[in-house]
Amino acid sequence: GQSLEQPSEVTAVEGAIVQINCTYQTSGFYGLSWYQQHDGGAPTFLSYNALDGLEETGRFSSFLSRSDSYGYLLLQELQMKDSASYFCAVRSSYNTDKLIFGTGTRLQVFP
Amino acid sequence: EAQVTQNPRYLITVTGKKLTVTCSQNMNHEYMSWYRQDPGLGLRQIYYSMNVEVTDKGDVPEGYKVSRKEKRNFPLILESPSPNQTSLYFCASKEAGGGETQYFGPGTRLLVL
Repeated sequence: GQSLEQPSEVTAVEGAIVQINCTYQTSGFYGLSWYQQHDGGAPTFLSYNALDGLEETGRFSSFLSRSDSYGYLLLQELQMKDSASYFCAVRSSYNTDKLIFGTGTRLQVFP
Repeated sequence: EAQVTQNPRYLITVTGKKLTVTCSQNMNHEYMSWYRQDPGLGLRQIYYSMNVEVTDKGDVPEGYKVSRKEKRNFPLILESPSPNQTSLYFCASKEAGGGETQYFGPGTRLLVL
């Protein structure tokens, strides 16, 4: 079967750095995305990696290693508003829009 | 304002009573999808559409139907809802060839008794 594994929960304090890992096992791989979802809200897109390496967007960065089937989301200078669930997602085939999501990581930021 | 809208936002129904959840986007996006979200299971794709009159199954299509007669609309139909379809449903859209930036609607919380 196809699966994406993420830690279920991560905690950190304001101002810290946290890394959320995602390991995938899929029939194909055409990119890794990250989404943020606050309680009661809709997912919002954060970042996308199609090629190996680091992509930086403000305080958030995302990394991909296709040889290791692994990626991570790095959140720097944590703020209370970063408390949310974070999901990784893989596009597993080329000519479709089929997406497989991880089960999500709940990040709690403490003062 | 660019957005994806869903209606209704909340729905309580009974087993077997057909229902439709509407989804509309005003961004002229080619791609649209439906997801369900259940505790501990994350988001699971039900159906997706890559263009008008083009739809395909996601991971959990059983018990659902969709149609894409117009670019902006992508309704989700439950012909005979069952309690195991109680869930939080999200519609999403994105531009073809626009990377993976997907925009989600606000969600529809469905309870099937």
